[in-house]
Amino acid sequence: GDSVTQMEGPVTLSEEAFLTINCTYTATGYPSLFWYVQYPGEGLQLLLKATKADDKGSNKGFEATYRKETTSFHLEKGSVQVSDSAVYFCALSEVDSGGGADGLTFGKGTHLIIQP
Amino acid sequence: DTEVTQTPKHLVMGMTNKKSLKCEQHMGHRAMYWYKQKAKKPPELMFVYSYEKLSINESVPSRFSPECPNSSLLNLHLHALQPEDSALYLCASSQDRGSFYEQYFGPGTRLTVT
Repeated sequence: GDSVTQMEGPVTLSEEAFLTINCTYTATGYPSLFWYVQYPGEGLQLLLKATKADDKGSNKGFEATYRKETTSFHLEKGSVQVSDSAVYFCALSEVDSGGGADGLTFGKGTHLIIQP
Repeated sequence: DTEVTQTPKHLVMGMTNKKSLKCEQHMGHRAMYWYKQKAKKPPELMFVYSYEKLSINESVPSRFSPECPNSSLLNLHLHALQPEDSALYLCASSQDRGSFYEQYFGPGTRLTVT
């Protein structure tokens, strides 16, 4: 079945540091890939997405590129802020045999802590 | 507007109670989802509705009963729950069930079963 693997952390960085959160996936077909962010006590917010190979998703200074050859979708940000502290989930969605998607398959989540 | 609303925000119920969680979206989305999230874990899919019909039931116990009265509303009826059912219940919606459609999540209902 489909699966997503990401570093769990916690990942602790200083403000203005460069961020990379690795994400790799296993899928039988051609999935769409997503990054979601969850702040304490809240639901999930879509951060960015990519639906085909070499697509780059970007939002709020975060970027991730869909790499089919390495089955990866690593999240990067050039200069993190304290307000970026949250849990980040990499996820995929794939079409099932009926032509619809089965919902999202999530990685375990990476807890990011940014210190001033 | 990309808002999904959920009520109540918090719910405490005993094991013999019957309660319902409500989810609403006004984005014209035709697919709606229920997820369960335990502390420090990723969300796990419970149910998928597509065009108001149940498409996927991920082997969820019958004490959880979903209902989709119309295209904007999704309910989750709870009965005879166990303490291990305590979790954050998240509702989401997407334009359709295609894999490239992003899902928009509500803030969740934090359920405690005593």
